[in-house]
Amino acid sequence: GENVEQHPSTLSVQEGDSAVIKCTYSDSASNYFPWYKQELGKGPQLIIDIRSNVGEKKDQRIAVTLNKTAKHFSLHITETQPEDSAVYFCAAIRGRDDKIIFGKGTRLHILP
Amino acid sequence: NAGVMQNPRHLVRRRGQEARLRCSPMKGHSHVYWYRQLPEEGLKFMVYLQKENIIDESGMPKERFSAEFPKEGPSILRIQQVVRGDSAAYFCASSPGQAGTEAFFGQGTRLTVV
Repeated sequence: GENVEQHPSTLSVQEGDSAVIKCTYSDSASNYFPWYKQELGKGPQLIIDIRSNVGEKKDQRIAVTLNKTAKHFSLHITETQPEDSAVYFCAAIRGRDDKIIFGKGTRLHILP
Repeated sequence: NAGVMQNPRHLVRRRGQEARLRCSPMKGHSHVYWYRQLPEEGLKFMVYLQKENIIDESGMPKERFSAEFPKEGPSILRIQQVVRGDSAAYFCASSPGQAGTEAFFGQGTRLTVV
């Protein structure tokens, strides 16, 4: 079955700098890759996603890139702010009627 | 349009009791996922259902755990004869069920077994 690896497990960046989180997946049939942000005590919140027919997608300070050949995708957060501190999860879905497979998460700390 | 609603938000059960966790999907969503999360850990898949049908229950323990999503009403995750190791946050997510469509999570039910 699908396996999603996520790195790093913890990331500290200075406020205003950029943060990059990387994920790899194993099943070339995966075609949808969402990213979730989870704050303490809350449920995961979908922040951005990308489909396999697209190489890059951007939404304000957040961007995601996908390399289908290498089977990896990344989340980029620019101009980081204190409210970006949270745990971020990448995920992959193979297609119709398939479960979401998550990476183990990255705890992002934004330093003042 | 209300989001995914889970209740109760917090549930305390004594060992041996039953726990029932409810999840009402977003309006128009026909598919529900259940995930379990231990403190400081990731999201572990349990079961994926559509109305009146289990699509994938490969992550569900064979004993004591069951899930349903009836034609009317919320999806229910049922844990019988709870043990301390069942203490965790249980999250459900819903989606319209088409390939590649967004899934949205509820706020979770935090189960504590004492």
